[in-house]
Amino acid sequence: GAGVSQTPSNKVTEKGKYVELRCDPISGHTALYWYRQSLGQGPEFLIYFQGTGAADDSGLPNDRFFAVRPEGSVSTLKIQRTERGDSAVYLCASSRTGGAEANVLTFGAGSRLTVL
Amino acid sequence: AQKITQTQPGMFVQEKEAVTLDCTYDTSDPSYGLFWYKQPSSGEMIFLIYQGSYDQQNATEGRYSLNFQKARKSANLVISASQLGDSAMYFCAMRERMGKFYFGSGTKLNVKP
Repeated sequence: GAGVSQTPSNKVTEKGKYVELRCDPISGHTALYWYRQSLGQGPEFLIYFQGTGAADDSGLPNDRFFAVRPEGSVSTLKIQRTERGDSAVYLCASSRTGGAEANVLTFGAGSRLTVL
Repeated sequence: AQKITQTQPGMFVQEKEAVTLDCTYDTSDPSYGLFWYKQPSSGEMIFLIYQGSYDQQNATEGRYSLNFQKARKSANLVISASQLGDSAMYFCAMRERMGKFYFGSGTKLNVKP
């Protein structure tokens, strides 16, 4: 696609529920990143994929968070047993791998998660 | 230690004036990249400029330039001839080798007419 697409743009859920957030990167971008941004803060790293595999998942806060990218394109961030502290905007970004273009992240508009 | 430090939570600048947004970074890796992103109120992060650790010259992109002082570990963004549309949050970021990107806490820039 023309840009990075994230769905849903807004999700309101109740504490304890399961949510999935989807990211559709730019076609041909093999690297995909998930970040979390709380109000007034900078993006906080969660996980980074190269192709289908997670190259670095050190930012996932606990085992309630999990992400997959089974075919090396679309990725899904899964949050189990949501807590109020999970409320944030979840940002997805993608880039090419190799060369100068690997340094340019293109971000989606984000998925705003609110846990009541 | 914080990888990226932005000490200016908010800045004001008069339209058409230049403004410098501060950024310092911390790394022991000799190979790294420094970046600036803009986030308007609409929320979408926009790439502005990139500086590689081995680049000899400061990066420039239109009205944006990156004042790279390696020994001081600083990577300040200079915006010349500010426009009302420059009002936004600005984030400094660093990438070590081909790993993840670290972001600072941001600076909110307000351009006054």
